[in-house]
Amino acid sequence: AQSVTQPDIHITVSEGASLELRCNYSYGATPYLFWYVQSPGQGLQLLLKYFSGDTLVQGIKGFEAEFKRSQSSFNLRKPSVHWSDAAEYFCAVGITGGFKTIFGAGTRLFVKA
Amino acid sequence: GAVVSQHPSRVICKSGTSVKIECRSLDFQATTMFWYRQFPKKSLMLMATSNEGSKATYEQGVEKDKFLINHASLTLSTLTVTSAHPEDSSFYICSAVGGGSGTHPYEQYFGPGTRLTVT
Repeated sequence: AQSVTQPDIHITVSEGASLELRCNYSYGATPYLFWYVQSPGQGLQLLLKYFSGDTLVQGIKGFEAEFKRSQSSFNLRKPSVHWSDAAEYFCAVGITGGFKTIFGAGTRLFVKA
Repeated sequence: GAVVSQHPSRVICKSGTSVKIECRSLDFQATTMFWYRQFPKKSLMLMATSNEGSKATYEQGVEKDKFLINHASLTLSTLTVTSAHPEDSSFYICSAVGGGSGTHPYEQYFGPGTRLTVT
């Protein structure tokens, strides 16, 4: 069965420090992969996506993610975190049959001054 | 491009009444729309998938008679919560998959969500 695992429920980093949010997926075919960010009470904003090609994907707000097929991972990174990055981050896999998207449980990012 | 709107953004209704939430794709035709429910501090739970002109496909455990979905056109889907009760209070999010320029067939475009509170 298809699934997405975000092993960290919450992470705290200092402002200016680097960030890596982990995501592992289980899917038999080549996945379409997404990272979304959600601020409290808001909808989802797409940070970046991977469909094919270069496995290092650049997104908005200085985020990037790397698709590693051998590890079934799609970790999100940012070299220097800003206080405004504090939010909930969701990793997701697009299922090619039926266009469904499966979401991970999310990782809450806290940024300390 | 690829903007999805939801209306209303928040609604408060009394127990036993029904409430309708609209989801519109503003600049593309949505062949498929999805409805999600999100509990506080939780991930998105897919409720149903709707295709224009056909009946919605509900996920296991979702009551189709309580959550009525109508996808009447390629730009509009509605979710009606019938005989709402306090346990239906939640954040409801729609998304759309479209065709044509500016969209990717496997990328969902999300609406801003609707906060439903049933008193």
